[in-house]
Amino acid sequence: DGGITQSPKYLFRKEGQNVTLSCEQNLNHDAMYWYRQDPGQGLRLIYYSQIVNDFQKGDIAEGYSVSREKKESFPLTVTSAQKNPTAFYLCASKSGELVAQPQHFGDGTRLSIL
Amino acid sequence: DAKTTQPPSMDCAEGRAANLPCNHSTISGNEYVYWYRQIHSQGPQYIIHGLKNNETNEMASLIITEDRKSSTLILPHATLRDTAVYYCIVRPSNSGGSNYKLTFGKGTLLTVNP
Repeated sequence: DGGITQSPKYLFRKEGQNVTLSCEQNLNHDAMYWYRQDPGQGLRLIYYSQIVNDFQKGDIAEGYSVSREKKESFPLTVTSAQKNPTAFYLCASKSGELVAQPQHFGDGTRLSIL
Repeated sequence: DAKTTQPPSMDCAEGRAANLPCNHSTISGNEYVYWYRQIHSQGPQYIIHGLKNNETNEMASLIITEDRKSSTLILPHATLRDTAVYYCIVRPSNSGGSNYKLTFGKGTLLTVNP
């Protein structure tokens, strides 16, 4: 089935450690996004990428990094510089052919601090 | 993007139609209305979107008023599995070609009761 796969579902980070969250899509979508969701809050955009080898900062990019070496993959690294990383992280993708097309989301990765 | 207003919560009896309202009185002519839902601890699920005309798919119907200042999402026969937070979002169809972010508010918690 076509879709967006995020892994792992749960992740724990130690102090000073970088961790990488995986996002893979087989929808042949051009654009991919990373959002963060805190309890009881809406989604906030971290990074987005419209095309391979290009990405842009969102509203809360500090302490995060991304890469887009392949169309189907958009991994997010939460660095030790991110002082409050505990959150629910959501990856989304969208076809670039029609701007009105919706974003589709994965099932998220829940990151916690040990 | 135009701001949306939704009631914080609603209840619906199983098997009955659920009608979820959304006010977007400042919507502009090129902005689409999107509906998503999020079941606890899962990623948001796209439901439906529209510009001016009413839309229907296998999940729901979207009724947009003639002045486009409000809309209603209709789940024709609600089931217990439809219990979720429902988000109404408006965004322009031509975000500078940037395929830009979705802004999620707090949505409506729909509880379907047996």
